[in-house]
Amino acid sequence: DVKVTQSSRYLVKRTGEKVFLECVQDMDHENMFWYRQDPGLGLRLIYFSYDVKMKEKGDIPEGYSVSREKKERFSLILESASTNQTSMYLCASSRVGQGYGYTFGSGTRLTVV
Amino acid sequence: AQSVTQLDSQVPVFEEAPVELRCNYSSSVSVYLFWYVQYPNQGLQLLLKYLSGSTLVKGINGFEAEFNKSQTSFHLRKPSVHISDTAEYFCAVALSGGSNYKLTFGKGTLLTVNP
Repeated sequence: DVKVTQSSRYLVKRTGEKVFLECVQDMDHENMFWYRQDPGLGLRLIYFSYDVKMKEKGDIPEGYSVSREKKERFSLILESASTNQTSMYLCASSRVGQGYGYTFGSGTRLTVV
Repeated sequence: AQSVTQLDSQVPVFEEAPVELRCNYSSSVSVYLFWYVQYPNQGLQLLLKYLSGSTLVKGINGFEAEFNKSQTSFHLRKPSVHISDTAEYFCAVALSGGSNYKLTFGKGTLLTVNP
């Protein structure tokens, strides 16, 4: 079965910490995405990548960066975590072509205290 | 740019009743349409998608959706729901053709099925 794996289901971090959220897919997908999900706001795109070492900003990139050194791995980095970054973070991947849709990971619930 | 509106944030229904979750989109070009389901504490799972052809699309778990180009809608339906259908449902749109492969999601509809 195809898979997108997010390394942590739950994380608690302190304000100001540098936080790494890891995502790995085993489907040889070209595209990878990071979303955050908040009640009443739905899914908002943070960053996406369409190739190794390539990235583009989504709708809410402020306070985040990403890294894609290998095709299967896409990391989201919170440079200095703040309490307003407490959220559910979802990673997804897709093949090239808009008709394929996304495969999602199970999510990481991050709490910044 | 495309956008998606899910008209109901919450839909409560009784078990075995029919349900319709509404989704409207706006786009100046042709689109692909998707419905995803999210069970509690899980990621999103694809229910069904419309790419082209027949406007009635059948998906998993007995769900179906109808694409209506004139109404710019893609409503999700199920004739008889179960307790296990309790989840959040997301409608999403992607532009067909070109290099834009991002999905734009609606804000979700929480379906609660009561006994």
